[in-house]
Amino acid sequence: DIQMTQSPSSLSASVGDRVAITCRASQSISRYLNWYQQKPGNAPKLLIYAVSSLQGGVPSRFSGSGSGTDFTLTISSLQPEDFGTYYCQQSYSTPRWTFGQGTKVEIK
Amino acid sequence: EVQLVDSGGGLVQPGGSLRLSCAASGFTFSDHYMDWVRQAPGQGLEWVGRTRNKADSYTTEYAASVQGRFSISRDNSKNSMYLQMNSLTTEDTAVYYCARVTFHSKYEYMDVWGQGTTVTVSS
Repeated sequence: DIQMTQSPSSLSASVGDRVAITCRASQSISRYLNWYQQKPGNAPKLLIYAVSSLQGGVPSRFSGSGSGTDFTLTISSLQPEDFGTYYCQQSYSTPRWTFGQGTKVEIK
Repeated sequence: EVQLVDSGGGLVQPGGSLRLSCAASGFTFSDHYMDWVRQAPGQGLEWVGRTRNKADSYTTEYAASVQGRFSISRDNSKNSMYLQMNSLTTEDTAVYYCARVTFHSKYEYMDVWGQGTTVTVSS
């Protein structure tokens, strides 16, 4: 199985800060990388697919980059509603997708 | 409105069985691959299994952790998908989500999720 490793595991930042979450795959996955946001008690929500394509309705402060094994989700200006846990997910080994362990984002 | 509604969770003893349901609305259900994903308490997300669409003969695939114990089916006349879970163990305790799979070019992702249904395996 392809292992996905996220860092950091958690972070605390202030409103307006630029936040970056990284995701590393155990082998090259080209651009088969998606990002999800999950708030407590809720289902995950798709933010970005294919590394950098923003899902409809997702604010433009979210962006993604990377290719191969290293990927980054960036929030350009953190907002109060951006708290939650963020997961990367590879769709290279479809359908046996794997997720990162998650990055918990807290607002200071 | 495009929507998925999960149901059927509950408390079951080890070795028991349970069937989860996922009711879809607002889109052409038979056109889509559908997945099950689970999340153990305080843990991350784990892909469980898939049923493909009509064009791909509704074939199914499963994670190694549930292969031989879980079975996915769908009733397109009812816009519903099911997860039959047998020989349950405490390791299967989780919130179970159904999700719609969408393709954009060669890329695929889960763009619509159910609200989740909780399965607790305990004596």
